Amino acid sequence: EAGVAQSPRYKIIEKRQSVAFWCNPISGHATLYWYQQILGQGPKLLIQFQNNGVVDDSQLPKDRFSAERLKGVDSTLKIQPAKLEDSAVYLCASSLGWGGFNEQFFGPGTRLTVL
Amino acid sequence: EDKVVQSPLSLVVHEGDTVTLNCSYEVTNFRSLLWYKQEKKAPTFLFMLTSSGIEKKSGRLSSILDKKELFSILNITATQTGDSAVYLCAVERGSQGNLIFGKGTKLSVKP
Repeated sequence: EAGVAQSPRYKIIEKRQSVAFWCNPISGHATLYWYQQILGQGPKLLIQFQNNGVVDDSQLPKDRFSAERLKGVDSTLKIQPAKLEDSAVYLCASSLGWGGFNEQFFGPGTRLTVL
Repeated sequence: EDKVVQSPLSLVVHEGDTVTLNCSYEVTNFRSLLWYKQEKKAPTFLFMLTSSGIEKKSGRLSSILDKKELFSILNITATQTGDSAVYLCAVERGSQGNLIFGKGTKLSVKP
């Protein structure tokens, strides 16, 4: 089966610019996650969707970050405006369900560099 | 504040050595502990542990959880250069099933 797809794979922007990332989860997976992984650290959850509803966005910096999953399938994560400290790999993951163990499958990530 | 702490942060060994990676946690509403391997790209799932004292094994890798002392170890025997990666420990918490990760242990296996 196809894995989690993300694009672009790499992005370089200047601070104060805007950027958007796209994720297509595994077909049939109801739950979608966006993680931020700063160099040398583990992934940090930004937002979790169940179908097209938000389950947890407590660590999403809402003044500059936004995410949506309009039809309960694809998702986009946007940063506007970007700061230097946003340089990181943004990982998307999906799982079949939630509540009880559901293995999360990760995409290859988007590496963002903010200059 | 919930946290997951891994040690050591980095480790260099030679092929054939045995290594033990540590993960301790302080997490409210613990559900399970997971180990992932990350080689330059996406983390890949290794183990999920929910019960104390029950060892999970997969080839040369094994892991065990101690819910009383709040830690887990990941053992790799007869290491190979292909084991070089960052090993991430994560704790699943709450009813939503989201994960809190440690910083990872970077393992380098020299030929």
